[in-house]
Amino acid sequence: GENVEQHPSTLSVQEGDSAVIKCTYSDSASNYFPWYKQELGKRPQLIIDIRSNVGEKKDQRIAVTLNKTAKHFSLHITETQPEDSAVYFCAASRAQAGTALIFGKGTTLSVSS
Amino acid sequence: DTAVSQTPKYLVTQMGNDKSIKCEQNLGHDTMYWYKQDSKKFLKIMFSYNNKELIINETVPNRFSPKSPDKAHLNLHINSLELGDSAVYFCASSLTAGRAPNEKLFFGSGTQLSVL
Repeated sequence: GENVEQHPSTLSVQEGDSAVIKCTYSDSASNYFPWYKQELGKRPQLIIDIRSNVGEKKDQRIAVTLNKTAKHFSLHITETQPEDSAVYFCAASRAQAGTALIFGKGTTLSVSS
Repeated sequence: DTAVSQTPKYLVTQMGNDKSIKCEQNLGHDTMYWYKQDSKKFLKIMFSYNNKELIINETVPNRFSPKSPDKAHLNLHINSLELGDSAVYFCASSLTAGRAPNEKLFFGSGTQLSVL
């Protein structure tokens, strides 16, 4: 089955800096790669996703890149703000019957002002 | 309107008891899931139902039994609760697993289970 590794487990940055979180996956058939943000005591919420036919996707201050050959994908947050502080999860799936999103172990991002 | 709602939000109980968590979604999705989030925040899939049919059953003790009376509801019953069952349990739903492109998960607000 799929296995998703995520690094780093914790990340501390100053407000305004960029933050990068990296993930690798094991199943070459995986074709859907979302990122979820979970604030303290809240539910995980999708912030951006990418499919295997796309190499990069941007949405304002966040971007995701995908390297299918190397089986890794990354989340980039620019101009970080204190409200970006949360746990971020990457995930991967085949998007087919009988499968589910498999999550990485999460990265706790702390943005200090 | 809450898209995915689960109850209760908090559940405190003694070892050995039996408890249930209920989940309902009003999104018209046909796939629902249970994920367990442990104290280290790891989100692990437990079960998935598609149109009331069990399609994913990960390595979970058989003390855990999901039940889906219809595609809008997925409940989780846990027998003989153990200390290690303490975690946050999240229900989630998505639109038609198995047909790309939409696999976005919508999570419920979670149930914090504490076994004493």
